[in-house]
Amino acid sequence: EVQLVQSGAEVKKPGESLKISCKGSGYSFPNSWIAWVRQMPGKGLEWMGIIYPGDSDTRYSPSFEGQVTISADKSISTAYLQWSSLKASDTAMYYCARHSGLGLSYGMDVWGQGTTVTVSS
Amino acid sequence: QSVLTQPPSASGTPGQRVTISCSGSSSNIGIKTVNWYQQLPGTAPKVLIYSTNQRPSGVPDRFSGSKSGTSASLAISGLQSEDEADYYCAAWDDSLDAYVFGTGTKVTVL
Repeated sequence: EVQLVQSGAEVKKPGESLKISCKGSGYSFPNSWIAWVRQMPGKGLEWMGIIYPGDSDTRYSPSFEGQVTISADKSISTAYLQWSSLKASDTAMYYCARHSGLGLSYGMDVWGQGTTVTVSS
Repeated sequence: QSVLTQPPSASGTPGQRVTISCSGSSSNIGIKTVNWYQQLPGTAPKVLIYSTNQRPSGVPDRFSGSKSGTSASLAISGLQSEDEADYYCAAWDDSLDAYVFGTGTKVTVL
């Protein structure tokens, strides 16, 4: 079964750093783009960026460039989303998702269960 | 701020047909394939339509997608109570070099 399993919920204080993970299984992890998607409380979906684990080629949405870092370790089939200094406005659910093998335009066909990040003093 | 615009809500009674619109531009829907996602309450999104009008296996044929110019539509025929969810259109945007989602539409079954 193809699946993406994300790390557990996090509660952090403003200014702290954080790295959440997304582990793929059931398919060739290095050969599919992995995206990160933000959903703030009660709001819609926002595409943050993608990484190709095979060569770590990474692209960011203009809205998230410089705000987060996307990385991957293909040896353990895991992608990461990282913050160096969290803000209260980073409070959200974060999903990882696999982009279709047909191409980036064809969207995401497999989604992780989501990781809730809460940033509060 | 989404570049794809959807109506915030839509509703219908069981068995009715509901249509959701998605308005974009020449840098996204106008030249790229459209995808639709369904997000049931408290769950991760799921792909409903890809490549504008293709259904993944397991998605009922009550769901159909289409596109004309810079707009796309999702139709749900024979509305059922389990269709109550949020629906998002999405497409790649060449100007932004990014994937963009629509603003989302909440479908209510009356």
